[in-house]
Amino acid sequence: QQPVQSPQAVILREGEDAVINCSSSKALYSVHWYRQKHGEAPVFLMILLKGGEQKGHEKISASFNEKKQQSSLYLTASQLSYSGTYFCGAGLGDKIIFGKGTRLHILP
Amino acid sequence: NAGVMQNPRHLVRRRGQEARLRCSPMKGHSHVYWYRQLPEEGLKFMVYLQKENIIDESGMPKERFSAEFPKEGPSILRIQQVVRGDSAAYFCASSIQGASNQPQHFGDGTRLSIL
Repeated sequence: QQPVQSPQAVILREGEDAVINCSSSKALYSVHWYRQKHGEAPVFLMILLKGGEQKGHEKISASFNEKKQQSSLYLTASQLSYSGTYFCGAGLGDKIIFGKGTRLHILP
Repeated sequence: NAGVMQNPRHLVRRRGQEARLRCSPMKGHSHVYWYRQLPEEGLKFMVYLQKENIIDESGMPKERFSAEFPKEGPSILRIQQVVRGDSAAYFCASSIQGASNQPQHFGDGTRLSIL
């Protein structure tokens, strides 16, 4: 039931791009993306509600392929502030089931 | 601060004691979720509550754990007779509606340490 995220960890240099994938074995009503910095609360990034929907703000965007039950998070021209662990959440009924996370480390 | 408020931030208990974790949702939110997070792990869903009702407790251990969200006051996650394996960060989140198509806003968590 828990969505699977890949890769587990990424190391980038500032300015490089990254893609984080999330796939579910169950049909998804929605996909949620959160970022958590060490010792802090998870912070909501975006929610995708429709198949094929793409959303984004600034240089972070995401897509949701409802048929394949997959979502991808795109980080463009990464900044140091993007470092953290990214979680995708599968919207299932009245709750969200989170993946294990992808650790992103940005080097200057 | 109109965000989700959790207290205490850190809680130390000895084995066998009780732990009480509190969560006040964002203003205007009446749906509360509790999650548990172990180091380097994801957020594991525990329970979903509305005022005076437990809606989904499928992630709660059957023994020693209980949760409530009374008409007045914060939501409480209670762990009785704590054991070392209960050591974790416990996060509370709230949303304006209960469906999975609404964003959840998280508190800063309670770090529970069992001696």
